[in-house]
Amino acid sequence: LAKTTQPISMDSYEGQEVNITCSHNNIATNDYITWYQQFPSQGPRFIIQGYKTKVTNEVASLFIPADRKSSTLSLPRVSLSDTAVYYCLVALMNRDDKIIFGKGTRLHILP
Amino acid sequence: ETGVTQTPRHLVMGMTNKKSLKCEQHLGHNAMYWYKQSAKKPLELMFVYNFKEQTENNSVPSRFSPECPNSSHLFLHLHTLQPEDSALYLCASRKEVGDSGYTFGSGTRLTVV
Repeated sequence: LAKTTQPISMDSYEGQEVNITCSHNNIATNDYITWYQQFPSQGPRFIIQGYKTKVTNEVASLFIPADRKSSTLSLPRVSLSDTAVYYCLVALMNRDDKIIFGKGTRLHILP
Repeated sequence: ETGVTQTPRHLVMGMTNKKSLKCEQHLGHNAMYWYKQSAKKPLELMFVYNFKEQTENNSVPSRFSPECPNSSHLFLHLHTLQPEDSALYLCASRKEVGDSGYTFGSGTRLTVV
């Protein structure tokens, strides 16, 4: 089971680019890396998923180095509404019991 | 709106009550899940249903009883709960086990008194 380590909290300012790094030293060959965002009293929302190199969508980018032992979620030009908890998950996508939401990173965007 | 609808949004129940939580999705997803999120604790997987068949019970006490009558509906029946069962109960779905991401509902905030 790949354990993930993320910062407990981060602060940034509106308009800045925010990078949240997740360490997963014992990632397995078939594991995917997935990031979710959660606002208070709501369920998590899927942001992005990747296996290697770089993935970009309309919301974020995900950078994965060649050794896949870490990954970085990049949020361009954040706004106050990006204040949320961000979870990094590493697992085989067909094993629900192995998909573990840890404590996440509490991102606080300041005006 | 995520496409996964949970009712009620808030529920207060006594320890001797029986209540049910409802989850509904019309996304065409075949896998449905119940998660529990307690204050300051990570999400805990409770139950998994794949094509209406329960495939995962993550050592959940029997006072929680799931039901999946069809691929679009999922229930969590509650009886004789304890105050420590107070939490946000989240329903999620995905097209099938192995699909990329979960779609979560907004949850039911349960308080047991």
